[in-house]
Amino acid sequence: EDQVTQSPEALRLQEGESSSLNCSYTVSGLRGLFWYRQDPGKGPEFLFTLYSAGEEKEKERLKATLTKKESFLHITAPKPEDSATYLCAVQEISGAGSYQLTFGKGTKLSVIP
Amino acid sequence: GEEVAQTPKHLVRGEGQKAKLYCAPIKGHSYVFWYQQVLKNEFKFLISFQNENVFDETGMPKERFSAKCLPNSPCSLEIQATKLEDSAVYFCASSLDLEKLFFGSGTQLSVL
Repeated sequence: EDQVTQSPEALRLQEGESSSLNCSYTVSGLRGLFWYRQDPGKGPEFLFTLYSAGEEKEKERLKATLTKKESFLHITAPKPEDSATYLCAVQEISGAGSYQLTFGKGTKLSVIP
Repeated sequence: GEEVAQTPKHLVRGEGQKAKLYCAPIKGHSYVFWYQQVLKNEFKFLISFQNENVFDETGMPKERFSAKCLPNSPCSLEIQATKLEDSAVYFCASSLDLEKLFFGSGTQLSVL
C-alpha cells in the first residue's frame, strides 16, 4: 500500500487557469510533508515544508496547505515556466530516528500559453 | 560549493561490471542522502550519512551496493556486479538540518 499518493498524474492548464494538486498520505506519525519541483534532467528543487494540520505556506504563485490526511498545492494564475513535475514527500516519525523521505509519484503539470 | 555536484552525468556498464558514482555536497552541509529514481518518478531511499558516518542504511541492498563519505573527498556510491534492474537515475542530496534537502542533477546509470 502506497504511503503517499498524488493526483492527478498529469494536468494540463491554460496560462492563467488556477488549479490544485493533491497529495494524500498515510503515516503513523508525520514529522514533515515536503513539496518539490522537478524539471526534466534535473534533481528535485525544494519548495515547502509543512509540519502540522492547518499550516499554509506561500511562494509566488504557489500555496501549500496541510490537513491530517492530505496536502494541496494550489497554483494561482500559472505561467508556462511553472511547467514541471511536482513531487510530494513525507518524513515519518520513527523510533529508529530515520529522516528518509517517502516520495509520491508526482504530478506532471503542463501550462499552455 | 553552492550546488550538489554529481559525476558522471551518464554511466554505461555491461551487466556484471562495477559502477562508481560521486557526489560533492554543498560546503558546510553535514548530511548526505542517496536516492534511486526508477521508472521516471519512483524514488527509493538508499542511504544517508552524517559527515563520514552512516546515519541510516535501511534502504541499501547490502549484497552489491556500498557507499562512503570520507573527509576531504566526494562521497561515493559503488555497485559491484551491476544488474539490469540497477538502471536508474541516482540522486545525491545534502542537507544542513535533515529537512531541507538540496539535490544534485543525478547520474543516469544504464546497465546493458
